[in-house]
Amino acid sequence: QITLKESGRTLVKPTQTLTLTCTFSGFSLTSSGVGVAWIRQPPGKALEWLAVIYWDDDKRYSPSLRTRLTITKDTSKNQVFLTMTDMDPVDTATYYCARNEDYDRRGLDVWGQGTRVTVSS
Amino acid sequence: EIVLTQSPATLSLSPGERATLSCRPSQSVGSYLAWYQQKPGQAPRLLIYDASNRATGIPARFSGSGSGTDFTLTISSLETEDAAVYYCQLSDPWTFGQGTKVEIK
Repeated sequence: QITLKESGRTLVKPTQTLTLTCTFSGFSLTSSGVGVAWIRQPPGKALEWLAVIYWDDDKRYSPSLRTRLTITKDTSKNQVFLTMTDMDPVDTATYYCARNEDYDRRGLDVWGQGTRVTVSS
Repeated sequence: EIVLTQSPATLSLSPGERATLSCRPSQSVGSYLAWYQQKPGQAPRLLIYDASNRATGIPARFSGSGSGTDFTLTISSLETEDAAVYYCQLSDPWTFGQGTKVEIK
């Protein structure tokens, strides 16, 4: 069974840095083609893709957020991390991680439950 | 930057009716387009990948088609449980559409 679970601080102040962890099981991020993506969803709004990291350490970022995002992985712990700097109230959202099975193909087939992050002073 | 435009914003239909949802990229793209269903309080669920392939466990009433700048998700015969928001998503470059809400009368 494949599972992913997001964790991290749920309340951050403006200008602070947010670090989220995606802990997964049932697959390996060393397998050819596999990637883990981060997606967020502000309350009542649409999904927004943030970043993806692949088995070969290839990384891609949302053009609009590129300067604030860093995605990394620890394959020994089955974890992917997302760091977002200079947090603002507009970054309040539910943050999801999800698996991409085959290097851009096949969509995001398994999602975590999401973690709600609130940015407020 | 490619923008995915979904239409209509809201679709209100009766059980048994056919639903047709549109996703139009701002420029011609490959076939790495996916569709997701999201119900309130839940994470999205993959329905269709690579434009026309049903994901594991997805009922046959869901189908995807299209290419280039015109993609469609069809629900052949709506059931009450299909009430949700549906998103299209492109890989390479990665982006989501703004969603279509399907309401069941």
